[in-house]
Order: sequence, then structure tokens, then C-alpha cells
Amino acid sequence: GDSVTQTEGLVTLTEGLPVMLNCTYQSTYSPFLFWYVQHLNEAPKLLLKSFTDNKRPEHQGFHATLHKSSSSFHLQKSSAQLSDSALYYCALSVNAGAKLTFGGGTRLTVRP
Amino acid sequence: AQTIHQWPVAEIKAVGSPLSLGCTIKGKSSPNLYWYWQATGGTLQQLFYSITVGQVESVVQLNLSASRPKDDQFILSTEKLLLSHSGFYLCAWSLDWGQDTQYFGPGTRLLVL
Repeated sequence: GDSVTQTEGLVTLTEGLPVMLNCTYQSTYSPFLFWYVQHLNEAPKLLLKSFTDNKRPEHQGFHATLHKSSSSFHLQKSSAQLSDSALYYCALSVNAGAKLTFGGGTRLTVRP
Repeated sequence: AQTIHQWPVAEIKAVGSPLSLGCTIKGKSSPNLYWYWQATGGTLQQLFYSITVGQVESVVQLNLSASRPKDDQFILSTEKLLLSHSGFYLCAWSLDWGQDTQYFGPGTRLLVL
């Protein structure tokens, strides 16, 4: 079956430092990859998703590149902000179905 | 604009009691609908999805059931709650599946004692 692995459960950074959250996946098909962000006591919302034409998605300073060779979709940002503190989920879906499979999540804490 | 509403906002229930959680989507006809569960400190687990009225597919078995009685309504229920049912229940919708974004509702917090 499909699976998503986020190796870091907790990441703590100082404001202004670069962010990189890891995401690797396993899928029988060629999947779509997503990053969802969930702030405290809020519902998850989409941060960005992979494109079929291999363009690099970007939103709010975050970007991610789908590398099919390494089955990865790592999330990056050049400079962390305090407001980036949240729970980040990597997720996978395939075109043939309605299932969205989430990774375990990474809690990012940005401190001054 | 589409809006998604979940009710109740929070519930405290006794083990063995019944449960019914609701979700309504306004401003979008024939959406795909989903139920998710998030244990405290845990990841999001998709429970059910529905593509059309009257049709619901189960993704995992957690002694819960779901129904879609109307195009814009999705209900999650059980006749007998377990302690393990505690958590955060989220409803979501999308236009299609695959590459389509899922939009989540505000959620219902459930505590089973």
C-alpha cells in the first residue's frame, strides 16, 4: 500500500534560519504529493502540492520539489519566521482513488 | 464561496453511548466528502469518503459508520463509543480526487470518558 514517512517529529529553529522538513513516500502508482499545515487548534489547510508538469510549487516562501528518483518531496524555506510554527503534514494521493495518506507530521517551532 | 460547517464543536460522552457528528458543505454541488480522525498528538487518518449521495466507502475500521443522506451532508456515527474514539474529527471536501486539494472543516473535539 501507499505510505508517507516524515522522519522528524519535532524541529526547533531560530528565526531567520533555513527550514527543511523531510518527506519520503512509497507508492505503486505515480502519486501526487501535498504539504498541509495545521496551526494550533485549527484545521489543516493546503500549503502546496506537486504539479504534473514537474514545476516547483511555491507558497508563502515555502517550496518543495518532487524527486521521483528518490521518492521525496521535502519542504523548504530560506528563512524561518515565528508565524511558521505549526504542524506540517506531507500527504500522498493517486489519481485512481479518493484516499489521501498522511505522514506522521512534523511539529515546527520557530523561536526568536 | 464554499463553506464547511461541522457540529457539534465539542462533545464529552460516556463509553458505550451513541454518537452522531455532522458536516455540511454549502456553495458546492456534488463534492467528494471525507471524514478524518486525529488522535491527540497523532497523525490524520482518513476514515471514510463519499463521491455521491448514498454511497460511502470505508478506509479503516474503527467501529464507526458514515452516511451521506443529502448531497451537502455527511454524518459520522456509532452506536457504542469506545475510549479509543477520543480525538479530533475533521470533515473535508474536494471537487475531485487525485490531484485535487481537500478543504477541511473546523473539526469536532470528542472526549470519551
